[in-house]
Amino acid sequence: ETGVTQSPTHLIKTRGQQVTLRCSSQSGHNTVSWYQQALGQGPQFIFQYYREEENGRGNFPPRFSGLQFPNYSSELNVNALELDDSALYLCASSPGGTGNTEAFFGQGTRLTVV
Amino acid sequence: AQSVSQHNHHVILSEAASLELGCNYSYGGTVNLFWYVQYPGQHLQLLLKYFSGDPLVKGIKGFEAEFIKSKFSFNLRKPSVQWSDTAEYFCALRGYSSASKIIFGSGTRLSIRP
Repeated sequence: ETGVTQSPTHLIKTRGQQVTLRCSSQSGHNTVSWYQQALGQGPQFIFQYYREEENGRGNFPPRFSGLQFPNYSSELNVNALELDDSALYLCASSPGGTGNTEAFFGQGTRLTVV
Repeated sequence: AQSVSQHNHHVILSEAASLELGCNYSYGGTVNLFWYVQYPGQHLQLLLKYFSGDPLVKGIKGFEAEFIKSKFSFNLRKPSVQWSDTAEYFCALRGYSSASKIIFGSGTRLSIRP
């Protein structure tokens, strides 16, 4: 176990709907990042939060948004869901400060858009 | 461009065979390198990491990797695989800045015949 927990584990949504995924970071970690892993591919970086501020974003449209709370837990919100949004969404936490740290991943949320 | 390439998409070996999975990267600066493993139905786990120092890195479960800077490579090796090594393996890099994302390769699926 990594100490990073995500909820829910599985989710089915209809195209056009909105979804919120949650992540509790490992104790003492102030950096949370989100990744999308499509079937048969490696995880793709969505964005990262450091001390409640977004400090990095990948090549994802604005309908992917997030929040980080004072306790460093985080949410990923996706609006206007599309079929291609079906994927495993991974949350990772790390101590932050520099990139010279290891990231610890949660078990992921499997999102299916129908 | 920042990228990680894994040349073997699917590797099939018999138990006790030796393993080498290739990984090459492209990054304009100093990097940290990782190998992650994803067992069926489980979260991403760190096998080993390279930050600096000895380019031969030993990880968990008998895995090791060698960082060859001149070849931009970080190949994963294990002298004798077991059936329980069946999993998806991801090579990844992270730059040194605090906003650095993790860039993953597309993964190599390893199947071990008992």
